[in-house]
Formats: sequence, structure tokens, C-alpha cells
Amino acid sequence: AQKVTQAQTEISVVEKEDVTLDCVYETRDTTYYLFWYKQPPSGELVFLIRRNSFDEQNEISGRYSWNFQKSTSSFNFTITASQVVDSAVYFCALSEGGSQGNLIFGKGTKLSVKP
Amino acid sequence: GAGVSQSPRYKVAKRGQDVALRCDPISGHVSLFWYQQALGQGPEFLTYFQNEAQLDKSGLPSDRFFAERPEGSVSTLKIQRTQQEDSAVYLCASSTMSGGLYNEQFFGPGTRLTVL
Repeated sequence: AQKVTQAQTEISVVEKEDVTLDCVYETRDTTYYLFWYKQPPSGELVFLIRRNSFDEQNEISGRYSWNFQKSTSSFNFTITASQVVDSAVYFCALSEGGSQGNLIFGKGTKLSVKP
Repeated sequence: GAGVSQSPRYKVAKRGQDVALRCDPISGHVSLFWYQQALGQGPEFLTYFQNEAQLDKSGLPSDRFFAERPEGSVSTLKIQRTQQEDSAVYLCASSTMSGGLYNEQFFGPGTRLTVL
């Protein structure tokens, strides 16, 4: 069965600290896609990244970086030098290759960045 | 450019009432998804349309839930005889390519439904 686990329910950091959000997934498909979305207090989900199962290269985009490790079924997200505007709920999601593209979400990690 | 829009943003219904939630996807997006997000949880898939065809409704929790997209653009999610457990945020998302398998889904702001 497919599943996404975000073990960290809430994280609180002080501005400029680095923070890593964990994501572990389960799937039997060999082809799948992993996503991270941000949900600020306004409620609208904002796409951050998509990674397919054949591409294990880590990715960096500004202060954001992602570490994909198939050996541990993990797709972790790191924010470097966190800012107050990073405060939000972050969701990791999985889409299986044999599906219509619907996303399977984790329960989310609420990140609070204090000034 | 215009993103995905949903209306109403907030809906309060008495138990037993019928409600209709509207989604306007991004123009030209063939794929449209509905999700239900309970408080403190991640969104859960309800149903999927490719143009006007409803290809997957496996996530609809009961036969009180019905969705349509008759002209392949605007979609409506209808809930009949609402129950308290239906209280949640209903999210609509659209994407390019059939199935949206490779492309990101763009989400609307959601409709917060409260059933009293």
C-alpha cells in the first residue's frame, strides 16, 4: 500500500537557523513521483518541487534543498537560514506511476520560525 | 494570470442540507482533482476528471458525494444530506496533461465547509 509519513508534527526554530523536514514514503511501484507543497496560513497549497523515482540527484533552489534517497525511501527538505515567511505547514506527497496522478499526502509538518 | 478559483470560500450548512461547491480550474487544464482536508490533516483524494470524463471516484467517502464537470472546465462537488463528519476544507486542483502525472497540480484556496 502507498503511504507518506511525516513524523514531525510541529517544529519551531529561531530565524536564521537551518531546519530539515523529514518525509518517508511507501510504494510498490518502481515509477513514482514525490512532491513538496507549502501551505501558508492563507490556506492555498503552493508547489515547491517534483522529483521522479529515477532521478536521485539532490536539488538546491535558493535556501531550499531536497535530499532524495531511495535506499531509505526518504525525501527530506532542508531550509537554510530560515525566515519568518517560511512559517507554514509543509506537505510531502507521492504520486504512483500507475495512478491518474492523484497525490497521496502526508499529515504535514507545521514549521514556526520565530524572529 | 488567473489561478484556480473556488466558491464559496466558506459555507455553513445545517445537518441534512445539500451543498454545492464550485471549482474554476486554470483555463486549458484538462486534469481536475478534488481533495478533502480535515483539520490538522493532509489533503485526501476524492475524485479525478480528465476533461469532462470522471475517470476515478474511488476517494468519494459515500454515495452522498457527487462531482461533475459537464463541459470539461468548471466542476461542481455536491454533497447531499450533509453530516457533521463532512466538515472539512475541500480543495480543487488542476494540471496540464491527461492524468497530470508529470506536472504539478495547481491548487485553489479551498472551500471551508462547516456542518452544524
